[in-house]
Amino acid sequence: DVKVTQSSRYLVKRTGEKVFLECVQDMDHENMFWYRQDPGLGLRLIYFSYDVKMKEKGDIPEGYSVSREKKERFSLILESASTNQTSMYLCASSFEGRSTDTQYFGPGTRLTVL
Amino acid sequence: GDSVTQMEGPVTLSEEAFLTINCTYTATGYPSLFWYVQYPGEGLQLLLKATKADDKGSNKGFEATYRKETTSFHLEKGSVQVSDSAVYFCALRGGGYQKVTFGTGTKLQVIP
Repeated sequence: DVKVTQSSRYLVKRTGEKVFLECVQDMDHENMFWYRQDPGLGLRLIYFSYDVKMKEKGDIPEGYSVSREKKERFSLILESASTNQTSMYLCASSFEGRSTDTQYFGPGTRLTVL
Repeated sequence: GDSVTQMEGPVTLSEEAFLTINCTYTATGYPSLFWYVQYPGEGLQLLLKATKADDKGSNKGFEATYRKETTSFHLEKGSVQVSDSAVYFCALRGGGYQKVTFGTGTKLQVIP
């Protein structure tokens, strides 16, 4: 079974802190994604990566950056956390390219910024 | 750009009732269509998918048919159970692109 793990289920940070969210997948997937999930807004794509050291902006990249130094690991970075970044963050991965391929999700990290 | 519209929730049904969750989409080309489910406290997981017009995806008693003429992919189940209580997301993925576009989700609550 594909396994996508996220470093924390719950995280509480203060405004202005630098925050790292880690995601690891064990299926050698080329693509990895970071979403945030908010009530009434569904899932919104923050960033995705289709290869090591490659990244593409999603729909809401402002205030975030990402890092992919190894194929299995994709990190989301909040350079200076703000209260409007309080949300559920979901990581996902998939094989390269084909539109039929499923995305596999991690359990999510619920981040609260005070 | 691509978009997915699904019915507002929450939807509350009694056990063994019939379920329909509507989903319509806008996309260029020939997208693949998905339904994902999110159980409380968990991430999303694939429920079913259809990759071309008139395909029917099915899993765990749920089914959905890819209707290109009406740009729809409605989710149905003949008899829901309490364990089906979850949030359901309709999604599409355009040909040749990695990005998936999700609907806003529909929360289903099934009461005994």
